[in-house]
Amino acid sequence: EVQLVQSGAEVKQSGDSLRISCKASGYSFTTYWIGWVRQMPGKALEWMGIIYPGDSATRDSPSLLGQVTMSVDKSTNTAYLQWSSLKASDTAVYYCARYDSGYEYLDHWGQGTLVTVSS
Amino acid sequence: QSALTQPASVSGSPGQSITISCTGTSSDVGTYSQVSWYQQYPGKAPRLMLFGVSKRPSGISDRFSGSKSGNTASLTISGLQAEDEANYFCCSYAGDTTSWLFGGGTKVTVL
Repeated sequence: EVQLVQSGAEVKQSGDSLRISCKASGYSFTTYWIGWVRQMPGKALEWMGIIYPGDSATRDSPSLLGQVTMSVDKSTNTAYLQWSSLKASDTAVYYCARYDSGYEYLDHWGQGTLVTVSS
Repeated sequence: QSALTQPASVSGSPGQSITISCTGTSSDVGTYSQVSWYQQYPGKAPRLMLFGVSKRPSGISDRFSGSKSGNTASLTISGLQAEDEANYFCCSYAGDTTSWLFGGGTKVTVL
């Protein structure tokens, strides 16, 4: 069974750094892209980007380019999303999901990580 | 690039059919067949309902169907059931520069 399990909720201050995780199981981690999606409170889903665990290649959404860093650890089948300096506007739920690069869709999702940033 | 346009809400009675539209442009929905739909209950993760405009993943009821005409994709739910009450988001590939766009979401209410 494909599963993506994300790290728990975080409460941070503006300017703090943060890394959240997404641990995959039930499939070959290095052969599927992982996508990250943001959902601000009460708002729609937004693509952030995708990363290919096989070689760590990334594609970022232009609107979020440079604001976050995606990475993976193949030894633990874990993908990461990292901020160097959080802003209050980063407050959102962040989802990871397995990405199919043929039809460009997200088929298995993590449960989401709520990040709350206070100013 | 702007998000895809969906109606804010759609409602129907049990057993009825409803259709949710998702309007983009010739740079996204109008060009690419990589349109997908996601169902999301409040406080829960999204769930893939359709991909490739009209393909259903394993386990998704055939009450859910999809189509596309020009710059607009549509999700139809037939035989509406109480469990279909949720938010639905469309998504389209938009090329290498923009990459992907979600719709603003549609709240489906079962009367």
